[in-house]
Amino acid sequence: NAGVTQTPKFRILKIGQSMTLQCAQDMNHNYMYWYRQDPGMGLKLIYYSVGAGITDKGEVPNGYNVSRSTTEDFPLRLELAAPSQTSVYFCASTLDGRSILFFGSGTQLSVL
Amino acid sequence: QKEVEQNSGPLSVPEGAIASLNCTYSDRGSQSFFWYRQYSGKSPELIMFIYSNGDKEDGRFTAQLNKASQYVSLLIRDSQPSDSATYLCVGLEGSNYQLIWGAGTKLIIKP
Repeated sequence: NAGVTQTPKFRILKIGQSMTLQCAQDMNHNYMYWYRQDPGMGLKLIYYSVGAGITDKGEVPNGYNVSRSTTEDFPLRLELAAPSQTSVYFCASTLDGRSILFFGSGTQLSVL
Repeated sequence: QKEVEQNSGPLSVPEGAIASLNCTYSDRGSQSFFWYRQYSGKSPELIMFIYSNGDKEDGRFTAQLNKASQYVSLLIRDSQPSDSATYLCVGLEGSNYQLIWGAGTKLIIKP
């Protein structure tokens, strides 16, 4: 049972490049989330989804896009990477929005 | 604005003592609270959740919730060096299931 799988674990981007962070869960969870965590700080919600085909913005959505074509997958797209997007990104899922959050192992992203 | 506030620490506690971690919240609509532990460079993992006023115990951990005072705490008894981590307090807002994250308290258990 894999849980929440995130790839890649590490990535270095140049300013202006684009990339997609992958997230997949095999627990049939409806709710999925993307967070970013800057050093010494808490989690900031980027985007979330309550089910396939439904996504919504969180606190810090600028510079990011998401899609949810299936229950399992919730990729995060960074367009025109900026140094301010250097952070650790976590994908998470929960069955119904009220239950335990399961986290992926995180992606350390540096934009130089 | 809905907020969950925690002292960032670090909170230094001797091994074997009780560690007390606290958070306060502004949204009276928050129904449940979670405590997550996060080791450096790792993802958060659930320690406890609580939704009723009073205490909830699980092994060495006790969560306390006081809705009148809008106060949540986590007690760790017989603290071990392996408890050294950042502890994140999270509130679940009842109407739209919004999660409100505190910034975390760094706990250091000194041998």
